[in-house]
Amino acid sequence: QQQVKQSPQSLIVQKGGISIINCAYENTAFDYFPWYQQFPGKGPALLIAIRPDVSEKKEGRFTISFNKSAKQFSLHIMDSQPGDSATYFCAADTSGTYKYIFGTGTRLKVLA
Amino acid sequence: NAGVTQTPKFRVLKTGQSMTLLCAQDMNHEYMYWYRQDPGMGLRLIHYSVGEGTTAKGEVPDGYNVSRLKKQNFLLGLESAAPSQTSVYFCASSWRGAPTDTQYFGPGTRLTVL
Repeated sequence: QQQVKQSPQSLIVQKGGISIINCAYENTAFDYFPWYQQFPGKGPALLIAIRPDVSEKKEGRFTISFNKSAKQFSLHIMDSQPGDSATYFCAADTSGTYKYIFGTGTRLKVLA
Repeated sequence: NAGVTQTPKFRVLKTGQSMTLLCAQDMNHEYMYWYRQDPGMGLRLIHYSVGEGTTAKGEVPDGYNVSRLKKQNFLLGLESAAPSQTSVYFCASSWRGAPTDTQYFGPGTRLTVL
């Protein structure tokens, strides 16, 4: 029940295309869903996050869509660029636990 | 601000050897975390600390010990390294532990145990 399942494992997108990464969870107590971006040789960095009281959050080309009833959330990268090539992790947390549960990661490659 | 730094960047150990990984943060954060990252496994929490002098077990604590003697430092120790501990280790910190407080990650330590 603590898992966060992430798909796909890897993704190749043409420059200008839309990248979509999906995550699903079981624990209905999760109330915070961040996405982290990791470039090779670097630590993960927060990209965007959402709470379950909203269905969508947009920051520039990055959008989180949240479906509470389906217990799913996804990251959409519009107009994907080669500089977006990185590994993306979804995560979930419950207030007061201080412990993120991370998905297994998606390696995105955007072709020029 | 250096943010979160980790020492060393790379290390090769033989089975049974011990070592300590050092994490330092200069953001005056209360909370600090140690994760390991393995292919296909994502990031898994080893131990964490909610303040100076405190530590707690995470998801995969076996074979590791930690100490937080100073607020800015969080040490991860391997007493008797095993090949299963070959991984990339990341330290992170956050101002508080509330979910909405961003965790800031260090650059990682790549550890190989032969």
